[in-house]
Amino acid sequence: EAAVTQSPRNKVAVTGGKVTLSCNQTNNHNNMYWYRQDTGHGLRLIHYSYGAGSTEKGDIPDGYKASRPSQENFSLILELATPSQTSVYFCASGDARTGGARDTQYFGPGTRLLVL
Amino acid sequence: GDSVTQTEGLVTLTKGLPVMLNCTYQTTYSPFLFWYVQHLNEAPKLLLKSSTDNKRTEHQGFYATLHKSSSSFHLQKSSVQLSDSALYFCALRPLSGSFNKLTFGAGTRLAVCP
Repeated sequence: EAAVTQSPRNKVAVTGGKVTLSCNQTNNHNNMYWYRQDTGHGLRLIHYSYGAGSTEKGDIPDGYKASRPSQENFSLILELATPSQTSVYFCASGDARTGGARDTQYFGPGTRLLVL
Repeated sequence: GDSVTQTEGLVTLTKGLPVMLNCTYQTTYSPFLFWYVQHLNEAPKLLLKSSTDNKRTEHQGFYATLHKSSSSFHLQKSSVQLSDSALYFCALRPLSGSFNKLTFGAGTRLAVCP
């Protein structure tokens, strides 16, 4: 099965501090995604990427930046963390092509972020 | 824009009973619908998916049929087990030829009691 890992798994940050969440995938997928999960909202897309060097804004990008330095790695950056960014963050990867198993997104285990 | 509605936040059932979790969607493009399942403290995983109108798709005892006429993709199971307790997300991908981007519903938590 496809493998997506995230680090750290848990993070406590202070308001105004910088937070970097990292994601690595060994699936050789072109597409990668960052979501946040909050009760009552499901999974909401923050940023996504078509491949190394590309980042695109998702549905809720404000307060977040992303970086895709390589095919395998995709980071989410909170330059000035706020308590409203307390959430569980999931990274996912997926094939850029369509059809059959290639339409599936594979999720990492999540990072639980608490901003005090 | 695209949207997915899951009307039940929590469904509580006794083991062995049937279940239906509702999912309706809105999109201007031809739809591709997914159900993802997330067990406690785990990552969401694909349960089943379909882009074919009026064709039942099944996996692990769960099944769903995409009905474009009513914009629905309800998830069903004839007899729930304790292990089915989880959070279930319905998701939509419009087949517009653009990026593979999913829009998720708010999720329905299924709690199965002994």
